[in-house]
Amino acid sequence: ILNVEQSPQSLHVQEGDSTNFTCSFPSSNFYALHWYRWETAKSPEALFVMTLNGDEKKKGRISATLNTKEGYSYLYIKGSQPEDSATYLCAFYNDYKLSFGAGTTVTVRA
Amino acid sequence: DTAVSQTPKYLVTQMGNDKSIKCEQNLGHDTMYWYKQDSKKFLKIMFSYNNKELIINETVPNRFSPKSPDKAHLNLHINSLELGDSAVYFCASSQDPDTGELFFGEGSRLTVL
Repeated sequence: ILNVEQSPQSLHVQEGDSTNFTCSFPSSNFYALHWYRWETAKSPEALFVMTLNGDEKKKGRISATLNTKEGYSYLYIKGSQPEDSATYLCAFYNDYKLSFGAGTTVTVRA
Repeated sequence: DTAVSQTPKYLVTQMGNDKSIKCEQNLGHDTMYWYKQDSKKFLKIMFSYNNKELIINETVPNRFSPKSPDKAHLNLHINSLELGDSAVYFCASSQDPDTGELFFGEGSRLTVL
């Protein structure tokens, strides 16, 4: 079982503030790193699939960076809104399967 | 029109029973998965099928048997249910098993009494 760790486990953000959190994963045998957004009572939805070292991806106010050599990825939320409240999962792809982290739960206060 | 659909969404049953959860995807994907959300909320892979062929069986008890009648369906049958089987089970599919994003169903909450 691959060790995918996310930090912090949870965070609270004031509406309008920006925030970021990390995902660390094994730096050897890297294939792909996924980020998913999981809202309460819904199913996880893919945000990004990242494969190249130095990759940066952006979707609206959410962006992610990837460092495969040191085994980490950051997810950034700019100008947080209440609808950004969710659990953000990262997942490391290797050997035909995704290994998920426990997630970072973001709560945006109005 | 739901892309990945699971039935039932909720299932309450007694220990020792046999039950099935069905999953269907209309995305035309070749690969389907079953994940279990454990008590610590981790999503852990159980099985993966590519075009009806089993490619991952992740140390799951033999009481769990996936069946893929065609590439659009992956059902999960569980024999002799135990208390510890209580969890939310998620079906997912992807077009590209290497880097393709997963499309998840809404989950099936199984409660074993």
